[in-house]
Amino acid sequence: KAGVTQTPRYLIKTRGQQVTLSCSPISGHRSVSWYQQTPGQGLQFLFEYFSETQRNKGNFPGRFSGRQFSNSRSEMNVSTLELGDSALYLCASRPGQGALGYTFGSGTRLTVV
Amino acid sequence: TQLLEQSPQFLSIQEGENLTVYCNSSSVFSSLQWYRQEPGEGPVLLVTVVTGGEVKKLKRLTFQFGDARKDSSLHITAAQPGDTGLYLCAGEVLGQNFVFGPGTRLSVLP
Repeated sequence: KAGVTQTPRYLIKTRGQQVTLSCSPISGHRSVSWYQQTPGQGLQFLFEYFSETQRNKGNFPGRFSGRQFSNSRSEMNVSTLELGDSALYLCASRPGQGALGYTFGSGTRLTVV
Repeated sequence: TQLLEQSPQFLSIQEGENLTVYCNSSSVFSSLQWYRQEPGEGPVLLVTVVTGGEVKKLKRLTFQFGDARKDSSLHITAAQPGDTGLYLCAGEVLGQNFVFGPGTRLSVLP
């Protein structure tokens, strides 16, 4: 079956702009989580959605937001981009909140200039 | 806030050597996972351990979960260049998100 699909793979944005990233989970997976990965901080948890509801949220400013649709697809949005937002953004899905382990997508590499 | 530490941070070895990487925390986890990540890709789940003292083997990889469920180790026997990558451990606190360690970057030279 198809894996977790993230689009786009690469993105270059200018400081102050906003960006929307998309994630399609594995079919049947209802839980989608987002992580930010940088060389200095590693993988940092952004948020988790389950059945269109945000279940957990990491310690990121309000400029970072997300949502999940009825088909479990998810989007995350970053407004007023800063240079420090440059990172690999990873989406991960699992069947449910109690399921063990994630299946990750290949990520979206965001560069803010 | 749960914190996972991994050691060593970097490891470069010759093909055929054995190695062990460690994942430690002061927190207790309901489960712990190990992932391997290659450049430009997302992490790939290798194993999940849930019981204190549990040992799991996947071919040349042996994973152990500490008795107190605060630490874990990954042992690779006869490493191969294909084992090269970033090894991440991730702990789950029941009902919350996963916390990832900073990773061990392994390079296996032919």
